[in-house]
Amino acid sequence: DVKVTQSSRYLVKRTGEKVFLECVQDMDHENMFWYRQDPGLGLRLIYFSYDVKMKEKGDIPEGYSVSREKKERFSLILESASTNQTSMYLCASSPNVLPYEQYFGPGTRLTVT
Amino acid sequence: QKEVEQDPGPLSVPEGAIVSLNCTYSNSAFQYFMWYRQYSRKGPELLMYTYSSGNKEDGRFTAQVDKSSKYISLFIRDSQPSDSATYLCAINAGGTSYGKLTFGQGTILTVHP
Repeated sequence: DVKVTQSSRYLVKRTGEKVFLECVQDMDHENMFWYRQDPGLGLRLIYFSYDVKMKEKGDIPEGYSVSREKKERFSLILESASTNQTSMYLCASSPNVLPYEQYFGPGTRLTVT
Repeated sequence: QKEVEQDPGPLSVPEGAIVSLNCTYSNSAFQYFMWYRQYSRKGPELLMYTYSSGNKEDGRFTAQVDKSSKYISLFIRDSQPSDSATYLCAINAGGTSYGKLTFGQGTILTVHP
């Protein structure tokens, strides 16, 4: 079974803190994605990566950055957390042969106070 | 106008009912059409996908795409309480999009015994 793991299920941070969210997949997938999910807005793509050290902006990249130093690991960084970044963050991965077949992690519920 | 529109519901049906879930989209370049299912406190999982127009059936589930109307549907026959979840439509442009998906807002479905 494909497994995508995220470093925390719940996280509480203060405004202005630097926040790291980690995602690891064990299926050697080329593509990895970070989404946030908010009520009424669905899943919105923040950033994605199609190879090590490669990244592309998604639909809402402002206030976020990413890092992919190894194929299995994709990190989302909030440089200076703000209250409007309180959300559920979901990581996903997919293989190049079926790039739209994305496998999701369980999510991290981030609260910024 | 959002690229993908989905009625968020919620939708509540009795066990055994036929359920119809729908999305509309605006960009005629989209080629791949997916339905993801998300149980409470879990990440989404791919349920079905179709390419271009037509129907695809998998057990009690049928996915339908009408590209001329830019309309996609998911039908669930003989619905079960275990089908209670949020259903998300997702669309991909194909080509070099690296599996980038645009999601609808999700429809919350409850099937009561």
